[in-house]
Amino acid sequence: GESVGLHLPTLSVQEGDNSIINCAYSNSASDYFIWYKQESGKGPQFIIDIRSNMDKRQGQRVTVLLNKTVKHLSLQIAATQPGDSAVYFCAENTGYSTLTFGKGTMLLVSP
Amino acid sequence: EPEVTQTPSHQVTQMGQEVILRCVPISNHLYFYWYRQILGQKVEFLVSFYNNEISEKSEIFDDQFSVERPDGSNFTLKIRSTKLEDSAMYFCASSGGLEAFFGQGTRLTVV
Repeated sequence: GESVGLHLPTLSVQEGDNSIINCAYSNSASDYFIWYKQESGKGPQFIIDIRSNMDKRQGQRVTVLLNKTVKHLSLQIAATQPGDSAVYFCAENTGYSTLTFGKGTMLLVSP
Repeated sequence: EPEVTQTPSHQVTQMGQEVILRCVPISNHLYFYWYRQILGQKVEFLVSFYNNEISEKSEIFDDQFSVERPDGSNFTLKIRSTKLEDSAMYFCASSGGLEAFFGQGTRLTVV
């Protein structure tokens, strides 16, 4: 079946570095993508989203890039802070009903 | 800031017992969801609910599961006869369109 997946299960960076978390998706019908952050014991927290008619969207310290040609999504976090340590999930939405989540990448930020 | 609230935060139940997980979605949202996350795994879609009926459900959402919106504010997930493998975090989410906001989850432990 079609799925969303992540290349790297764990990413370790130093405080102040830029982090890049990658995600591959296979459902070409997906028209909306979201990155969620999940801290231990908490629910997924919305970070940033992007529609399929865009290839880049910027937020505060975060940028999402979408490459529809290779079905690839990335989350860039600038000047990573210890508080950014969490599991990051990409999710795709083909309509209003369902979010399909990827497996998650653990981001570990060392001071 | 409006948020999705879930109760209880932790539920322990004996195998075969019925449990009801409760959620209060964000008040002006129209779409409601239940997801679950088995420890260490990705977030999995269970069911979506719109206009007082199920709009989509996954293969996980079998006859043991049901959802209800008993009044204008609550959204519940019932598991009729719990199994050990139902142990997981259960997240409620709501959406006014595309972006889904998640609650903090209920940790269900079946013993």
